[in-house]
Amino acid sequence: GAGVSQSPSNKVTEKGKDVELRCDPISGHTALYWYRQSLGQGLEFLIYFQGNSAPDKSGLPSDRFSAERTGGSVSTLTIQRTQQEDSAVYLCASQGLPDQPQHFGDGTRLSIL
Amino acid sequence: TQLLEQSPQFLSIQEGENLTVYCNSSSVFSSLQWYRQEPGEGPVLLVTVVTGGEVKKLKRLTFQFGDARKDSSLHITAAQPGDTGLYLCAGEPGRRALTFGSGTRLQVQP
Repeated sequence: GAGVSQSPSNKVTEKGKDVELRCDPISGHTALYWYRQSLGQGLEFLIYFQGNSAPDKSGLPSDRFSAERTGGSVSTLTIQRTQQEDSAVYLCASQGLPDQPQHFGDGTRLSIL
Repeated sequence: TQLLEQSPQFLSIQEGENLTVYCNSSSVFSSLQWYRQEPGEGPVLLVTVVTGGEVKKLKRLTFQFGDARKDSSLHITAAQPGDTGLYLCAGEPGRRALTFGSGTRLQVQP
């Protein structure tokens, strides 16, 4: 597709389970970002990938969170042993050149019971 | 940590009214961006301001970047119900990932 695609759009799971969230960026975009948004709030940076460089993981809130980007394209954000405070919308964005805007997907709404 | 504070947090107005949303920081940003986000969707970029004192207009929306590049404002003239949404400012704090404000939720009543 032409835009950033995220799946699933909604995920409900029990506390303690692991979850994987997927992001398909715009083709050709070298930069990919993950953000987290609590209800009605701004976005919190989680992790950033740029080409083949080591990712900037400085925003990950705990070691239960990890992400990978395979082949410079699709990215997966994994949350292990989920907690209720992990409930949020997880947004992915991709970017081409540094002076170009970030394009956001519609997010995955994660609910931890 | 460079923080962006937005005000007001919530705004409910009648169609046709004017409004201003503010985005303030104690830090200098190389640029500031404004986004609008509707429920169930990702943020969509409205404008980027990069020069201190810069004013940009997008139809009924006027964006201003402070002279010191620490603050910005969004002014909407004659608001329409279609302007309803969450308005977010965001800055680049020296890395490419954005720092976002907490947002202003605008509701325009017909």
